[in-house]
Amino acid sequence: EVQLVESGGGLVQPGGSLRISCAVSGFTFTDYWMHWVRQVPGKGLVWVARINSDGSSRSYGNFVGGRFTISRDNAKNTLYLQMNSLRVDDTAMYYCARAGHWGQGTLVTVSS
Amino acid sequence: QPVLTQPPSASASLGASVTLTCSLSSVYSNYKVDWFQQRPGKGPRFVMRVGPGGIVGSRGDGIPDRFSVLGSGLIRSLTIKNIQEEDEGAYHCGADQGSDSNPWLFGGGTKLTVL
Repeated sequence: EVQLVESGGGLVQPGGSLRISCAVSGFTFTDYWMHWVRQVPGKGLVWVARINSDGSSRSYGNFVGGRFTISRDNAKNTLYLQMNSLRVDDTAMYYCARAGHWGQGTLVTVSS
Repeated sequence: QPVLTQPPSASASLGASVTLTCSLSSVYSNYKVDWFQQRPGKGPRFVMRVGPGGIVGSRGDGIPDRFSVLGSGLIRSLTIKNIQEEDEGAYHCGADQGSDSNPWLFGGGTKLTVL
């Protein structure tokens, strides 16, 4: 069974940093590009970042502005999103996703 | 880049049928669109992909054949027949435009209420 399990969310102050993770199982991690997508509760989905299967190519949504870094550890079957200089409007549920499957999300709250 | 437009809400009675639409902005009539179901408090779940000729590939894991799609012109629609209580939730459409910047675009989502 394909599983994507996010973790690491929480409350952080504006300007702070947080790293969220996504542990995957049930498929060959190295066969897939991976994405982070976020959603403000009650609102639509917004693509955040993606990384290719060996980690050599990464791209980001325009709003990221150099603050986030997507990475992966193929030996650990884990995807990461390092978020720096967090803003209040980064508050959202963050989902990891691959073609055809999504995780349940981890909530990031940026507030003083 | 394309814009995907979805009505914000829809409703249908138990056992009835409903069609949800995702409208592509002009000149993107050849785009494929993915449909996702999102039950309250859950992450999105892939339903199926639709192109101008209809379904592309197969339904997502566990998606019943009550769900079907149609592609016509700039519209990518999802029809749910014999609606059940578990079908209530938000339905999102998304398109991979294959570019490096902002490759995955989503519509605003339609909240489906089962009456």
